[in-house]
Amino acid sequence: KQEVTQIPAALSVPEGENLVLNCSFTDSAIYNLQWFRQDPGKGLTSLLLIQSSQREQTSGRLNASLDKSSGRSTLYIAASQPGDSATYLCAVIWWGNKLVFGAGTILRVKS
Amino acid sequence: NAGVTQTPKFQVLKTGQSMTLQCAQDMNHEYMSWYRQDPGMGLRLIHYSVGAGITDQGEVPNGYNVSRSTTEDFPLRLLSAAPSQTSVYFCASSNPGGYNEQFFGPGTRLTVL
Repeated sequence: KQEVTQIPAALSVPEGENLVLNCSFTDSAIYNLQWFRQDPGKGLTSLLLIQSSQREQTSGRLNASLDKSSGRSTLYIAASQPGDSATYLCAVIWWGNKLVFGAGTILRVKS
Repeated sequence: NAGVTQTPKFQVLKTGQSMTLQCAQDMNHEYMSWYRQDPGMGLRLIHYSVGAGITDQGEVPNGYNVSRSTTEDFPLRLLSAAPSQTSVYFCASSNPGGYNEQFFGPGTRLTVL
């Protein structure tokens, strides 16, 4: 059974810091991996999709890497801002486009 | 292009009542799915569909029913609501293939008393 773990569960940093969120999965037979952001009481916003053949993907201040063989992905956020405060979710995509989610990392960026 | 839409946004039911959560997408996606999100449990797959007329169970299907008569719509039916079904429900859609980005609706917050 695929299990996805995200570390840390919560993170509080001062504005301007660079930070790394970690995601690990137990079965490397994934299609792709997707990172989402969720604001309190809201839906999921897609941040980055990394295809299984890729090593990393970048969007603005966000960079996500994927190492399928070791079952790990990281989301790097550069120069964090208070507006980045949210819960960040990692999900692996299996056959049938089914997602298995991690429990998320709650990020607070202090101004 | 509205993306994935869900109705209603909020709903309160009494135990034993039935209802249907609506989900629609206008991106011509083949795949659609339903997830529930509970504190401490994360998001879990309820049912999914790989095309019109084709559905299958996910991780937590008990107490829910689905059908897919069109590409656009994928309703989720609660047959006899129970307090354990209090949750936030999200619908998602995507296409098969190498770049299978998942798009989510805004969610339905359901309370069963």
